[in-house]
Amino acid sequence: ETGVTQSPTHLIKTRGQQVTLRCSSQSGHNTVSWYQQALGQGPQFIFQYYREEENGRGNFPPRFSGLQFPNYSSELNVNALELDDSALYLCASSMGGASSYNEQFFGPGTRLTVL
Amino acid sequence: LAKTTQPISMDSYEGQEVNITCSHNNIATNDYITWYQQFPSQGPRFIIQGYKTKVTNEVASLFIPADRKSSTLSLPRVSLSDTAVYYCLVGDMNSGYSTLTFGKGTMLLVSP
Repeated sequence: ETGVTQSPTHLIKTRGQQVTLRCSSQSGHNTVSWYQQALGQGPQFIFQYYREEENGRGNFPPRFSGLQFPNYSSELNVNALELDDSALYLCASSMGGASSYNEQFFGPGTRLTVL
Repeated sequence: LAKTTQPISMDSYEGQEVNITCSHNNIATNDYITWYQQFPSQGPRFIIQGYKTKVTNEVASLFIPADRKSSTLSLPRVSLSDTAVYYCLVGDMNSGYSTLTFGKGTMLLVSP
C-alpha cells in the first residue's frame, strides 16, 4: 500500500508568481485535504476535496484553489504569491467521505519559499 | 469550534510515562477528541481518538473524564524517538467536511 506522496519537496518562487503543488492520495482514499503550516505553528486547514468536489474551505482567499482528479490525486494552486505564503504545505487523504471522524493520513509536505 | 489549550512544551526522560493534558471547555456533544504527532519536516501522524472514558491502542492511551472538558494523552515509557510536537484536536463527527483545527501543540523533548 502506497502512502500519501507530494511533489515537489521544495520550491522557491518570487512574489506575484503562481505555483502548483501536487498530491497523490493513499490507495483507496477518496478525500483529500490541504493544510498550510507556517514555521512554529500548527497546520491550518485550506480546503478539502471529496470525489472531485470542494466540500469545505478554511479562511483562505480565492487565490488558493484546487482540483481533485478521478484517481483522487489533487493539486493546490496559489496565484499572486505573497511573502506570507512561505510555509510547509501538507496534503492529507482519508477514506469514507467528508466526515472529519476519519483518520487523516498526511504526506511529507512541500516546503514553499516566496522571495 | 471548540478551542483547545495545551502546554507549549514538556520535558521527560527515557523510560518515563508522559501525560499531556488538553483543555477543551466548550466541547460540544458531537465533538470527539483526536491526537496527532508531528516530527520536524514531516506531516502529522494520527495517534489516538476518543469520545469518552478511556481508549488504548498500541502506542498510547487517551483518558477523557465524564464532563469531557479535558483529555489526557498518556505515552508509556517514552524513548528519544518520541520527541515531537503533539496536537490535541476537537472535531465534529457530524460535520460535512473536515474541521480538524490544529493549535500550536505541545513540544515534547525526551532526554537520555
